Amino acid sequence: SAVISQKPSRDICQRGTSLTIQCQVDSQVTMMFWYRQQPGQSLTLIATANQGSEATYESGFVIDKFPISRPNLTFSTLTVSNMSPEDSSIYLCSGWTGGNYGYTFGSGTRLTVV
Amino acid sequence: AQSVTQLDSQVPVFEEAPVELRCNYSSSVSVYLFWYVQYPNQGLQLLLKYLSGSTLVKGINGFEAEFNKSQTSFHLRKPSVHISDTAEYFCAVTPMNRDDKIIFGKGTRLHILP
Repeated sequence: SAVISQKPSRDICQRGTSLTIQCQVDSQVTMMFWYRQQPGQSLTLIATANQGSEATYESGFVIDKFPISRPNLTFSTLTVSNMSPEDSSIYLCSGWTGGNYGYTFGSGTRLTVV
Repeated sequence: AQSVTQLDSQVPVFEEAPVELRCNYSSSVSVYLFWYVQYPNQGLQLLLKYLSGSTLVKGINGFEAEFNKSQTSFHLRKPSVHISDTAEYFCAVTPMNRDDKIIFGKGTRLHILP
């Protein structure tokens, strides 16, 4: 099955700063997805990253706060902008990697904002 | 739109006892169904999936699940649990066109008691 490499795995950031998270897939995927998992909770979809067009954001998430890039079919980034402690979460990327494998997830980025 | 309900937020069970984690879904279209496991401080790992065919699906680590279309359920079972099964389990659904977002349930925390 495909592998998604996500980095950084964790970071501690000062409030008001921004962090960019990267996901690299070892095969092409049509769509990639970005999720947030707040402490003790399930995964909430932030946005769908489309190659060659703007990302599609879910209700409650906006591009100014979570800009996404998708320059090609194997790579995507999510930026968490102007961070506050409420942004402390695990952020995960995912993609449908074709065949019979279902969705594959990156290992996650554990973000702590202080 | 799709939704997933995991009826139990926590399930305690003695080691070597059987366990069932319940999942019900709602959808106006045909769906694919998944169970993911998240071990403490780790990313998501696919346990098993139902795409088509036999309604009884076998996954990794001795887990299996049965798709019941009439009851819109996809319950996860294991005949004998081990302490290493302690984790959060997420049921998820996506429409059958594959390139759509995957929706997660709120998760069930499995506690294995010695």
